[in-house]
Amino acid sequence: GENVEQHPSTLSVQEGDSAVIKCTYSDSASNYFPWYKQELGKRPQLIIDIRSNVGEKKDQRIAVTLNKTAKHFSLHITETQPEDSAVYFCAAWGSNYKLTFGKGTLLTVNP
Amino acid sequence: DSGVTQTPKHLITATGQRVTLRCSPRSGDLSVYWYQQSLDQGLQFLIQYYNGEERAKGNILERFSAQQFPDLHSELNLSSLELGDSALYFCASSVGARGWSGNTIYFGEGSWLTVV
Repeated sequence: GENVEQHPSTLSVQEGDSAVIKCTYSDSASNYFPWYKQELGKRPQLIIDIRSNVGEKKDQRIAVTLNKTAKHFSLHITETQPEDSAVYFCAAWGSNYKLTFGKGTLLTVNP
Repeated sequence: DSGVTQTPKHLITATGQRVTLRCSPRSGDLSVYWYQQSLDQGLQFLIQYYNGEERAKGNILERFSAQQFPDLHSELNLSSLELGDSALYFCASSVGARGWSGNTIYFGEGSWLTVV
Protein backbone atom coordinates (compact mmCIF):
# COMPACT_ATOMS: atom_id res chain seq x y z
CA GLY A 1 0.00 0.00 0.00
CA GLU A 2 0.84 3.66 -0.06
CA ASN A 3 3.44 4.96 2.37
CA VAL A 4 3.89 8.69 2.97
CA GLU A 5 6.97 10.02 4.75
CA GLN A 6 6.95 13.60 6.03
CA HIS A 7 9.85 15.74 7.24
CA PRO A 8 10.63 17.49 9.45
CA SER A 9 8.44 16.44 12.37
CA THR A 10 8.92 19.85 13.99
CA LEU A 11 9.87 23.18 12.46
CA SER A 12 10.44 26.48 14.22
CA VAL A 13 10.83 29.71 12.24
CA GLN A 14 10.84 33.41 12.91
CA GLU A 15 7.90 35.47 11.79
CA GLY A 16 8.44 36.58 8.21
CA ASP A 17 10.69 33.66 7.32
CA SER A 18 9.77 30.87 4.91
CA ALA A 19 8.90 27.32 5.93
CA VAL A 20 9.26 24.20 3.81
CA ILE A 21 7.80 20.78 4.56
CA LYS A 22 8.69 17.80 2.42
CA CYS A 23 6.91 14.52 1.75
CA THR A 24 7.66 11.41 -0.24
CA TYR A 25 5.24 8.73 -1.36
CA SER A 26 5.65 5.18 -2.55
CA ASP A 27 2.72 4.44 -4.87
CA SER A 28 3.67 5.60 -8.36
CA ALA A 29 -0.03 5.54 -9.30
CA SER A 30 -0.90 8.21 -6.71
CA ASN A 31 -2.53 11.11 -8.50
CA TYR A 32 -3.72 13.61 -5.93
CA PHE A 33 -1.84 15.27 -3.09
CA PRO A 34 -3.67 17.47 -0.57
CA TRP A 35 -2.20 19.34 2.36
CA TYR A 36 -4.12 19.82 5.58
CA LYS A 37 -3.60 22.22 8.48
CA GLN A 38 -4.71 21.19 11.95
CA GLU A 39 -4.78 23.66 14.81
CA LEU A 40 -4.68 22.36 18.35
CA GLY A 41 -7.87 20.53 19.24
CA LYS A 42 -9.44 21.28 15.86
CA ARG A 43 -10.24 19.32 12.76
CA PRO A 44 -7.83 19.09 9.81
CA GLN A 45 -8.65 21.58 7.08
CA LEU A 46 -7.55 21.51 3.46
CA ILE A 47 -5.23 24.37 2.61
CA ILE A 48 -4.00 23.44 -0.86
CA ASP A 49 -3.86 20.44 -3.17
CA ILE A 50 -2.13 19.41 -6.38
CA ARG A 51 -2.83 16.85 -9.05
CA SER A 52 -0.23 14.58 -10.58
CA ASN A 53 -0.31 16.37 -13.95
CA VAL A 54 0.71 19.68 -12.38
CA GLY A 55 4.19 20.57 -11.15
CA GLU A 56 3.40 23.57 -9.00
CA LYS A 57 0.41 25.36 -7.54
CA LYS A 58 0.30 28.60 -5.61
CA ASP A 59 -2.31 30.26 -3.42
CA GLN A 60 -1.18 33.56 -1.91
CA ARG A 61 1.58 32.72 0.61
CA ILE A 62 1.25 28.97 0.15
CA ALA A 63 2.67 26.90 -2.69
CA VAL A 64 3.03 23.21 -3.35
CA THR A 65 5.46 21.55 -5.74
CA LEU A 66 5.35 17.99 -7.06
CA ASN A 67 8.11 15.89 -8.58
CA LYS A 68 6.45 12.75 -9.91
CA THR A 69 9.70 11.18 -11.04
CA ALA A 70 11.20 11.42 -7.59
CA LYS A 71 7.83 10.82 -5.91
CA HIS A 72 8.08 13.77 -3.59
CA PHE A 73 6.09 16.92 -2.98
CA SER A 74 6.64 19.94 -0.79
CA LEU A 75 4.70 22.70 0.93
CA HIS A 76 6.18 26.18 0.95
CA ILE A 77 4.87 28.93 3.20
CA THR A 78 6.33 32.38 2.68
CA GLU A 79 6.21 35.40 5.01
CA THR A 80 5.10 33.21 7.90
CA GLN A 81 2.81 34.65 10.55
CA PRO A 82 2.06 33.46 14.10
CA GLU A 83 -1.36 32.22 12.94
CA ASP A 84 0.42 29.79 10.62
CA SER A 85 1.48 27.84 13.73
CA ALA A 86 -0.22 24.44 13.54
CA VAL A 87 0.37 20.84 12.53
CA TYR A 88 0.56 20.35 8.79
CA PHE A 89 -0.18 17.01 7.14
CA CYS A 90 0.63 15.95 3.63
CA ALA A 91 -1.39 13.16 2.03
CA ALA A 92 -1.38 11.06 -1.08
CA TRP A 93 -4.32 9.39 -2.74
CA GLY A 94 -3.15 6.03 -4.00
CA SER A 95 -4.50 3.56 -6.51
CA ASN A 96 -6.28 1.66 -3.74
CA TYR A 97 -8.83 4.39 -2.95
CA LYS A 98 -6.98 5.27 0.24
CA LEU A 99 -5.93 8.76 1.25
CA THR A 100 -2.77 8.16 3.27
CA PHE A 101 -1.42 10.89 5.52
CA GLY A 102 2.10 11.66 6.64
CA LYS A 103 2.75 11.85 10.38
CA GLY A 104 2.58 15.62 10.42
CA THR A 105 4.87 18.61 10.98
CA LEU A 106 4.43 20.87 13.98
CA LEU A 107 5.18 24.36 12.69
CA THR A 108 5.87 27.08 15.26
CA VAL A 109 6.18 30.66 14.08
CA ASN A 110 7.89 32.82 16.68
CA PRO A 111 6.90 36.50 16.79
CA ASP B 1 -18.17 24.50 10.07
CA SER B 2 -17.36 21.74 7.58
CA GLY B 3 -20.90 20.38 7.46
CA VAL B 4 -19.76 16.98 8.75
CA THR B 5 -21.46 16.20 12.06
CA GLN B 6 -20.05 13.77 14.58
CA THR B 7 -21.56 12.57 17.84
CA PRO B 8 -20.71 12.27 20.62
CA LYS B 9 -17.99 14.90 20.94
CA HIS B 10 -16.54 13.30 24.05
CA LEU B 11 -16.94 9.83 25.46
CA ILE B 12 -15.40 8.14 28.50
CA THR B 13 -15.87 4.43 28.89
CA ALA B 14 -14.31 1.46 30.63
CA THR B 15 -12.11 -1.25 29.18
CA GLY B 16 -14.04 -4.11 27.65
CA GLN B 17 -17.02 -1.94 26.76
CA ARG B 18 -18.50 -1.17 23.36
CA VAL B 19 -19.24 2.25 21.90
CA THR B 20 -20.77 3.60 18.72
CA LEU B 21 -19.62 6.78 17.04
CA ARG B 22 -21.99 8.44 14.62
CA CYS B 23 -21.32 10.59 11.57
CA SER B 24 -23.52 12.57 9.23
CA PRO B 25 -21.75 13.60 6.04
CA ARG B 26 -22.10 16.91 4.27
CA SER B 27 -25.22 17.25 2.20
CA GLY B 28 -24.58 15.69 -1.19
CA ASP B 29 -21.47 13.77 -0.17
CA LEU B 30 -21.55 10.05 -0.90
CA SER B 31 -18.22 9.01 0.63
CA VAL B 32 -17.56 8.68 4.33
CA TYR B 33 -14.15 8.04 5.83
CA TRP B 34 -13.06 7.19 9.35
CA TYR B 35 -9.65 8.13 10.72
CA GLN B 36 -8.06 7.56 14.11
CA GLN B 37 -5.66 10.12 15.59
CA SER B 38 -3.65 9.27 18.69
CA LEU B 39 -1.40 11.68 20.58
CA ASP B 40 1.83 10.60 18.91
CA GLN B 41 0.39 9.40 15.64
CA GLY B 42 -0.82 11.07 12.51
CA LEU B 43 -4.14 10.37 10.90
CA GLN B 44 -4.55 6.62 10.57
CA PHE B 45 -7.01 5.59 7.90
CA LEU B 46 -9.55 3.07 9.12
CA ILE B 47 -12.20 2.60 6.47
CA GLN B 48 -14.08 4.27 3.62
CA TYR B 49 -17.64 3.84 2.38
CA TYR B 50 -19.11 5.09 -0.84
CA ASN B 51 -22.87 5.19 -1.27
CA GLY B 52 -23.39 2.43 1.25
CA GLU B 53 -20.64 0.10 0.13
CA GLU B 54 -17.22 -0.45 1.66
CA ARG B 55 -14.64 1.02 -0.74
CA ALA B 56 -11.33 0.83 1.07
CA LYS B 57 -10.00 -0.59 4.27
CA GLY B 58 -7.01 0.51 6.28
CA ASN B 59 -5.54 -0.63 9.56
CA ILE B 60 -8.90 -1.25 11.19
CA LEU B 61 -8.85 -3.74 14.03
CA GLU B 62 -11.17 -6.74 13.96
CA ARG B 63 -12.78 -5.36 17.13
CA PHE B 64 -13.88 -2.34 15.11
CA SER B 65 -16.58 -2.30 12.49
CA ALA B 66 -18.41 0.32 10.49
CA GLN B 67 -21.29 0.73 8.13
CA GLN B 68 -22.95 3.36 6.00
CA PHE B 69 -26.71 3.45 5.99
CA PRO B 70 -29.11 4.22 3.12
CA ASP B 71 -29.42 7.81 4.34
CA LEU B 72 -25.60 7.97 4.04
CA HIS B 73 -24.86 8.47 7.70
CA SER B 74 -22.22 6.18 9.09
CA GLU B 75 -21.45 4.51 12.39
CA LEU B 76 -18.16 3.23 13.73
CA ASN B 77 -18.53 0.50 16.33
CA LEU B 78 -15.65 -0.12 18.73
CA SER B 79 -15.87 -3.19 20.94
CA SER B 80 -13.83 -4.90 23.66
CA LEU B 81 -12.21 -1.53 24.22
CA GLU B 82 -8.63 -1.32 25.42
CA LEU B 83 -6.70 1.57 26.92
CA GLY B 84 -4.82 1.95 23.66
CA ASP B 85 -8.03 2.70 21.80
CA SER B 86 -8.17 6.10 23.46
CA ALA B 87 -7.92 8.55 20.59
CA LEU B 88 -9.65 11.19 18.55
CA TYR B 89 -11.80 9.59 15.88
CA PHE B 90 -12.51 11.68 12.84
CA CYS B 91 -15.20 11.18 10.31
CA ALA B 92 -14.79 12.86 6.94
CA SER B 93 -16.84 13.04 3.80
CA SER B 94 -16.48 13.88 0.13
CA VAL B 95 -18.55 13.85 -3.02
CA GLY B 96 -16.73 11.05 -4.80
CA ALA B 97 -14.57 8.08 -4.03
CA ARG B 98 -11.33 8.85 -5.84
CA GLY B 99 -8.64 11.46 -5.50
CA TRP B 100 -9.11 14.59 -7.59
CA SER B 101 -9.14 18.30 -6.94
CA GLY B 102 -12.90 18.52 -6.84
CA ASN B 103 -13.20 15.70 -4.36
CA THR B 104 -12.14 17.59 -1.24
CA ILE B 105 -12.35 15.59 1.93
CA TYR B 106 -13.99 17.55 4.73
CA PHE B 107 -13.41 16.50 8.32
CA GLY B 108 -15.83 16.62 11.20
CA GLU B 109 -14.83 17.96 14.63
CA GLY B 110 -14.02 14.47 15.87
CA SER B 111 -15.11 12.28 18.75
CA TRP B 112 -12.74 12.13 21.69
CA LEU B 113 -12.76 8.62 23.14
CA THR B 114 -11.14 7.97 26.49
CA VAL B 115 -10.95 4.39 27.72
CA VAL B 116 -10.27 4.04 31.44
